[in-house]
Amino acid sequence: QKEVEQNSGPLSVPEGAIASLNCTYSDRGSQSFFWYRQYSGKSPELIMSIYSNGDKEDGRFTAQLNKASQYVSLLIRDSQPSDSATYLCAVLGGGFKTIFGAGTRLFVKA
Amino acid sequence: SAVISQKPSRDICQRGTSLTIQCQVDSQVTMMFWYRQQPGQSLTLIATANQGSEATYESGFVIDKFPISRPNLTFSTLTVSNMSPEDSSIYLCSGGTSGGHEQFFGPGTRLTVL
Repeated sequence: QKEVEQNSGPLSVPEGAIASLNCTYSDRGSQSFFWYRQYSGKSPELIMSIYSNGDKEDGRFTAQLNKASQYVSLLIRDSQPSDSATYLCAVLGGGFKTIFGAGTRLFVKA
Repeated sequence: SAVISQKPSRDICQRGTSLTIQCQVDSQVTMMFWYRQQPGQSLTLIATANQGSEATYESGFVIDKFPISRPNLTFSTLTVSNMSPEDSSIYLCSGGTSGGHEQFFGPGTRLTVL
């Protein structure tokens, strides 16, 4: 069974620090990778997508992809209390089915 | 990005009844999906809603229990039939663009079955 694994956390970082969220996946043929943010009581919101090996930066967010090692990471620089949420890693597999990880809860302490 | 609306936002239903959830997107997305999310859990895909044809269901979900319609590109419904307390959950619809790569979610429907 194709899987996406994340550390459930909680990950706690002080305000202004870098938060590092990691994800591994089992389907070596996966080509598209996503990070969603989900605030408590809200629906998931797409924050980053990455398709090629390497880094992709968007503001304070950097997604990193290493297909050989089958991992994806999300770095949040200058973390803010408003970044406190659950972050879901998602991988697009065969048949255009997206598999979501269980999510990592992030707490940013003011 | 697509803006997706769902209704109702929440409902409390009696055992044995059915509830139909509506999902509307504001643009022509390629694909529409229905998910279930238990509190503190990740998303479980119920089915892919196909325009004008039967939905494609995931393992563990059947059409008799979760009938889905998608009469056009921007509208879909999910019915939760013959409900039991185990069906209490948040139901989310999403729209996928560019072959379903990026997904945009509706606000969800919080269902409680007594």
